[in-house]
Amino acid sequence: DAGVIQSPRHEVTEMGQEVTLRCKPISGHNSLFWYRQTMMRGLELLIYFNNNVPIDDSGMPEDRFSAKMPNASFSTLKIQPSEPRDSAVYFCASTSSTSSSGNTIYFGEGSWLTVV
Amino acid sequence: DAKTTQPNSMESNEEEPVHLPCNHSTISGTDYIHWYRQLPSQGPEYVIHGLTSNVNNRMASLAIAEDRKSSTLILHRATLRDAAVYYCILRDRYNQGGKLIFGQGTELSVKP
Repeated sequence: DAGVIQSPRHEVTEMGQEVTLRCKPISGHNSLFWYRQTMMRGLELLIYFNNNVPIDDSGMPEDRFSAKMPNASFSTLKIQPSEPRDSAVYFCASTSSTSSSGNTIYFGEGSWLTVV
Repeated sequence: DAKTTQPNSMESNEEEPVHLPCNHSTISGTDYIHWYRQLPSQGPEYVIHGLTSNVNNRMASLAIAEDRKSSTLILHRATLRDAAVYYCILRDRYNQGGKLIFGQGTELSVKP
């Protein structure tokens, strides 16, 4: 399996521009997570989906952030308009919720976003 | 979510055992204890997890206190590649599609 695939790996954009981050979870997984990591705040959960439905979006910073999961194999995290404080590494992760033994969550390699 | 407490940093010498402690005094009976680690410039990766009994896998061992209020991740022979931030996380066994909440973790440095 190719693992969780994120794109782009790196992006530099100007303040005010729209940024779209993409994620393909591992095939067969039905839970998907978006995390953000900064030096100041560490790893923060932004939102997670179960069976393509958003379950908890309490970590989404503000209305500029939105996430969608139109099908089981694709999710996007959009920032519009972007601001310099959005500069961070954004991780997508997935797991299967069907096991009863404590499922492993698999992380992508991250999308490194710089907003100037 | 129940909280965990870990030391901010630890040092080890290469090829020596490392014991990474984690306190979770408010753990509930349905919480699994998970350990993940994050190598530099990579996403977190699963290390090991357990519920009550000690666990071993190819990466590490997990020793769980009898009262489950603390646990220790054991790397039997540290290598330079084990330098990473190690996170101890509690996760409800009945919510396996649920989230992982990361704390600050322990930054392990390994000296040659």
